Amino acid sequence: GAVVSQHPSRVICKSGTSVKIECRSLDFQATTMFWYRQFPKQSLMLMATSNEGSKATYEQGVEKDKFLINHASLTLSTLTVTSAHPEDSSFYICSTYAGGRSAPQHFGDGTRLSIL
Amino acid sequence: AQSVTQPDIHITVSEGASLELRCNYSYGATPYLFWYVQSPGQGLQLLLKYFSGDTLVQGIKGFEAEFKRSQSSFNLRKPSVHWSDAAEYFCAVAPIYSGGGADGLTFGKGTHLIIQP
Repeated sequence: GAVVSQHPSRVICKSGTSVKIECRSLDFQATTMFWYRQFPKQSLMLMATSNEGSKATYEQGVEKDKFLINHASLTLSTLTVTSAHPEDSSFYICSTYAGGRSAPQHFGDGTRLSIL
Repeated sequence: AQSVTQPDIHITVSEGASLELRCNYSYGATPYLFWYVQSPGQGLQLLLKYFSGDTLVQGIKGFEAEFKRSQSSFNLRKPSVHWSDAAEYFCAVAPIYSGGGADGLTFGKGTHLIIQP
């Protein structure tokens, strides 16, 4: 069964709207969650690392005020795209990490964000 | 900085034929290595991973991968592909100090696998 639940799967909204995407770890407590962005027909690029109870760590070039991340519990991290514009349209995917050596990341099914 | 190269953007294989997808990495030390598969509009599913030990790794869905340190490669293979294997395949690495999943992964650009009937 699914290990990670990501919601919503698809969002279409007007420019200027803020959009929240949820990532839930279903089977374990995820001390760390990751947010990736995938452009059409391209690879995944790490946006930020979300640690429970602390501020997220953003990759170079990612605007932290544009992409707000909250990891308030061990099973939930949220990504809010603030004042979204058409260039923010993309496929956003989260992943979770249970901790411990040799533990891989498990990915959600992604969210297709389309800004009109 | 670490990087992952998947030299083949597209590969077309006949159903029942064998498959090999190439992956090369650049890193100061042997990283943790992964292969993920992505169906259209979906998230990523882990096929297999290499952390240490036996360099031939068995995964799900009949896939295997061989780590070759001398070539900095981690190629994915399957002896006989099925139409359901058509998807995007990503090779990824994680720093060895990360424990495997504690750091963000660096992905290759992916290989799009097309299966001919």
